[in-house]
Amino acid sequence: GDSVTQMEGPVTLSEEAFLTINCTYTATGYPSLFWYVQYPGEGLQLLLKATKADDKGSNKGFEATYRKETTSFHLEKGSVQVSDSAVYFCALSDLGRDDKIIFGKGTRLHILP
Amino acid sequence: EAQVTQNPRYLITVTGKKLTVTCSQNMNHEYMSWYRQDPGLGLRQIYYSMNVEVTDKGDVPEGYKVSRKEKRNFPLILESPSPNQTSLYFCASRSRDSSGNTIYFGEGSWLTVV
Repeated sequence: GDSVTQMEGPVTLSEEAFLTINCTYTATGYPSLFWYVQYPGEGLQLLLKATKADDKGSNKGFEATYRKETTSFHLEKGSVQVSDSAVYFCALSDLGRDDKIIFGKGTRLHILP
Repeated sequence: EAQVTQNPRYLITVTGKKLTVTCSQNMNHEYMSWYRQDPGLGLRQIYYSMNVEVTDKGDVPEGYKVSRKEKRNFPLILESPSPNQTSLYFCASRSRDSSGNTIYFGEGSWLTVV
């Protein structure tokens, strides 16, 4: 079945460092790919998405490119801030089949001032 | 404002005492789902519904029931809660049309079963 694998955390960086959180997927169809963010004590928020190969999603300085050849959707940010500390979930959804969103296990990010 | 609203947000209950977590969305979405989030396991789908009176099991349906009598509401029912159902629960909805690749989540319901 479809699955999502993302790098395990926690990831600890200093403010202004470059961030990469790796995400790879397996899917039989043509899924849409997402990054969700969960700030402490809050629910899930959509951070960015891409619906087809080579699409780049971007929001709040974060970017991720849908790479079909490597089945990856890595999250990047050039200069992280303390306020970026959160748990990040990579996810896929094949909307042609059912309502299931398949999530990775989440990566906790700590940014030190 | 587009919203998915869950209630209660926080609940501590005892083993065996039936409870219902409500979920309501104001976007006229066809699809609604319930997920549970557990440390190290990410989010797992419990049940989903593709429209009124259409529901189906997700990955971890045991111990839960749902109903979809109205399009906007999708309650999650725990008939006899057990401690292993202590978790953070999320309701989600999306449209069936071409904009449906945006999924909206509620703020979550923290449930503790003692």
